[in-house]
Amino acid sequence: AQKITQTQPGMFVQEKEAVTLDCTYDTSDPSYGLFWYKQPSSGEMIFLIYQGSYDQQNATEGRYSLNFQKARKSANLVISASQLGDSAMYFCAMRDLYTGANSKLTFGKGITLSVRP
Amino acid sequence: DGGITQSPKYLFRKEGQNVTLSCEQNLNHDAMYWYRQDPGQGLRLIYYSQIVNDFQKGDIAEGYSVSREKKESFPLTVTSAQKNPTAFYLCASSIDASGGDQPQHFGDGTRLSIL
Repeated sequence: AQKITQTQPGMFVQEKEAVTLDCTYDTSDPSYGLFWYKQPSSGEMIFLIYQGSYDQQNATEGRYSLNFQKARKSANLVISASQLGDSAMYFCAMRDLYTGANSKLTFGKGITLSVRP
Repeated sequence: DGGITQSPKYLFRKEGQNVTLSCEQNLNHDAMYWYRQDPGQGLRLIYYSQIVNDFQKGDIAEGYSVSREKKESFPLTVTSAQKNPTAFYLCASSIDASGGDQPQHFGDGTRLSIL
């Protein structure tokens, strides 16, 4: 079974500074994918970034990057140059890439990020 | 614009009543999903469909039913058997269910409450 752990309490960051949101995972699958989503107060889930377990380099997407440490089973999201619009809940999720169609996306409980002006 | 449309945004259910949440997508995606989100929690999978006329139970399917008669549409019915239906419901789609690296794209959600 897969498990995602997000245990940070509410996070605060000053506008224009960088922030790291932690995610650890547990799986016995040899091949898996990790996703980060943002959920603003309006409720929609917005896909941010993806990291495959066999990717050689850490994923980057604009101001988002993923600090992927496979041996430690962690996939932390780094947001650079925080903006007020980054205030939201952030969810880490994973999916097995081996079992194909029947593999499910497993979500963590999320982290609340507040950006201070 | 391509996307996923959920309606209504807010829904109220009376005791013993079935209610249906709508989800429509124009992304030409094969796979569609329904999730439930409770306060302070992550998303839990209710049902998913890989292709038209086919669907599978997720982790918390009891008290829910779905249909997939058209590629674009995946409605969720919350039946009277679901004793604790108050939650935020999110519909998602992806290009196909087998592409594990494909992200799921979400609608804006429906908030269901008990009257």
